[in-house]
Amino acid sequence: KNEVEQSPQNLTAQEGEFITINCSYSVGISALHWLQQHPGGGIVSLFMLSSGKKKHGRLIATINIQEKHSSLHITASHPRDSAVYICAVPQGGSEKLVFGKGTKLTVNP
Amino acid sequence: DTAVSQTPKYLVTQMGNDKSIKCEQNLGHDTMYWYKQDSKKFLKIMFSYNNKELIINETVPNRFSPKSPDKAHLNLHINSLELGDSAVYFCASSQLEKKGTQYFGPGTRLLVL
Repeated sequence: KNEVEQSPQNLTAQEGEFITINCSYSVGISALHWLQQHPGGGIVSLFMLSSGKKKHGRLIATINIQEKHSSLHITASHPRDSAVYICAVPQGGSEKLVFGKGTKLTVNP
Repeated sequence: DTAVSQTPKYLVTQMGNDKSIKCEQNLGHDTMYWYKQDSKKFLKIMFSYNNKELIINETVPNRFSPKSPDKAHLNLHINSLELGDSAVYFCASSQLEKKGTQYFGPGTRLLVL
């Protein structure tokens, strides 16, 4: 069974700061997902990546397959980035996703 | 246009009742999922259907019965609701062959009194 650990659990930052959220998993995977859950509850898929790095606006996701580790970075953070960020990996060879417990990010103005 | 929609958004009901939650996707995806998010905000998969066939069925009480009338719809029926069923239920869809991104619905907040 794939275990997913995220750190930190909670993160408070000032507007403009560079943010890093980490995700480690225990079993090799084909791809890793980063999701964002807004305070209102909606879930948005941010990235799905299997190697290297992906960038979308101020968000950057990296993955190191050998080390079974991924990071989500936010540059020039803004209060609207305040959300819970969730890492998810497939269980075995299936499409069943196993989720981390999430990192709650609060960006203060 | 909403990609993945769920109805209702909120559901408050008494213990013992039977209720259904509906999900529809207009993305042309072949796979749909039901997830449960508990009070600690932890997401867990319940079911997955690919082309109307059940492919993932987690350890979920048999009071929960998914039904997929076609590829675009996956409904969740819950019998004899219990207090512990109170949670947010999310539907999602993806294109299985492409191992694609999952798109989530807005969630249905179920409160059992």
